[in-house]
Amino acid sequence: EAGVVQSPRYKIIEKKQPVAFWCNPISGHNTLYWYRQNLGQGPELLIRYENEEAVDDSQLPKDRFSAERLKGVDSTLKIQPAELGDSAVYLCASSLRVQETQYFGPGTRLLVL
Amino acid sequence: KNQVEQSPQSLIILEGKNCTLQCNYTVSPFSNLRWYKQDTGRGPVSLTIMTFSENTKSNGRYTATLDADTKQSSLHITASQLSDSASYICVVGSSNDYKLSFGAGTTVTVRA
Repeated sequence: EAGVVQSPRYKIIEKKQPVAFWCNPISGHNTLYWYRQNLGQGPELLIRYENEEAVDDSQLPKDRFSAERLKGVDSTLKIQPAELGDSAVYLCASSLRVQETQYFGPGTRLLVL
Repeated sequence: KNQVEQSPQSLIILEGKNCTLQCNYTVSPFSNLRWYKQDTGRGPVSLTIMTFSENTKSNGRYTATLDADTKQSSLHITASQLSDSASYICVVGSSNDYKLSFGAGTTVTVRA
């Protein structure tokens, strides 16, 4: 069975440009997470979905970040406009239910120039 | 604020040797503690999970311990292999809001 799939794996953009990341969770997993991981740090939660509902987006910078999970399966995370400080790895994870083990995708490495 | 502190930040060991990583947390109320392994350029992979009533859990050459009274955990790697080179992240779950608190990780380098 395929794990969590993310694309693209790498993205280089200039500041002020928009960027979008895509995630396909493990089939049947109701809970989906987006994390941001800076170099040498642990992941930081941006948003958590239960099916198609965003139940925790308290750490999402809503002025420039947005996310959606239509139909409760795939999800996209968008940044518009990107800033230099957004350079990081963006990880998507999924679990059967909240508090169950999370399975992480390989991440999207973003570099903002 | 719930916090998870890991030590050391990094360590280098020779192949075949053992090592122990430490994790101290202030998360309350406590639900569970996980250790994840993250290879370079990959997402974290779960190694062990322990709840309040468990004080040790093994996964092959990895053994995690938990002291819920002192809020400390350790991950012991036995007979290290080159493939153990990775970042090991301690993650603590809270039982009142389902939030997870991540440590910064310990980078382990195993040399031949």
